[in-house]
Amino acid sequence: GESVGLHLPTLSVQEGDNSIINCAYSNSASDYFIWYKQESGKGPQFIIDIRSNMDKRQGQRVTVLLNKTVKHLSLQIAATQPGDSAVYFCAEILYSGGYQKVTFGTGTKLQVIP
Amino acid sequence: NAGVTQTPKFQVLKTGQSMTLQCAQDMNHNSMYWYRQDPGMGLRLIYYSASEGTTDKGEVPNGYNVSRLNKREFSLRLESAAPSQTSVYFCASSEVTSGGEQFFGPGTRLTVL
Repeated sequence: GESVGLHLPTLSVQEGDNSIINCAYSNSASDYFIWYKQESGKGPQFIIDIRSNMDKRQGQRVTVLLNKTVKHLSLQIAATQPGDSAVYFCAEILYSGGYQKVTFGTGTKLQVIP
Repeated sequence: NAGVTQTPKFQVLKTGQSMTLQCAQDMNHNSMYWYRQDPGMGLRLIYYSASEGTTDKGEVPNGYNVSRLNKREFSLRLESAAPSQTSVYFCASSEVTSGGEQFFGPGTRLTVL
């Protein structure tokens, strides 16, 4: 079946270093990919998205890379800060009949070491 | 704008009791969703409403019912709660035509004893 998964469940990085969080997906028909951040006790928060016809998209301190050849998605966070500590989810979106079919990964916990 | 709001924030039920989780959004979004989140698992879709007046089952609909009361409100009902329904429930909304982002509420933490 279709699935979205993450290579690493926990990632620890030193404050100021760059972080890379990875995600594998299996549905090559997906239209969109989104990265969400979820802090403890809160709902997921949108970080950045990328359309399936793009390879790279940059935001403020974040970059998402999409490699359709190997069905791989990554989130790069530059100069990681303590406030970046959270669980990060990738999500795979397929548009069908006016509805979004969204499949979430299980999440990667990012721990920033001061 | 408040975004997506959910009530209650916490709830404890006994097995067999019923309750309704409320969700409202003020972003004029067409689509609304109910998810559950369990430890070590990703969000799983329970039900969704692509537009006012329509509802459809998601990945894990058993034991739940929903009502899209109007464009703003989408409620989730547990008719006879079971311990397996202990979870954190998130409501979300999106405007499909403007992009893929779903906006999430703060969640309801439900415990069924």
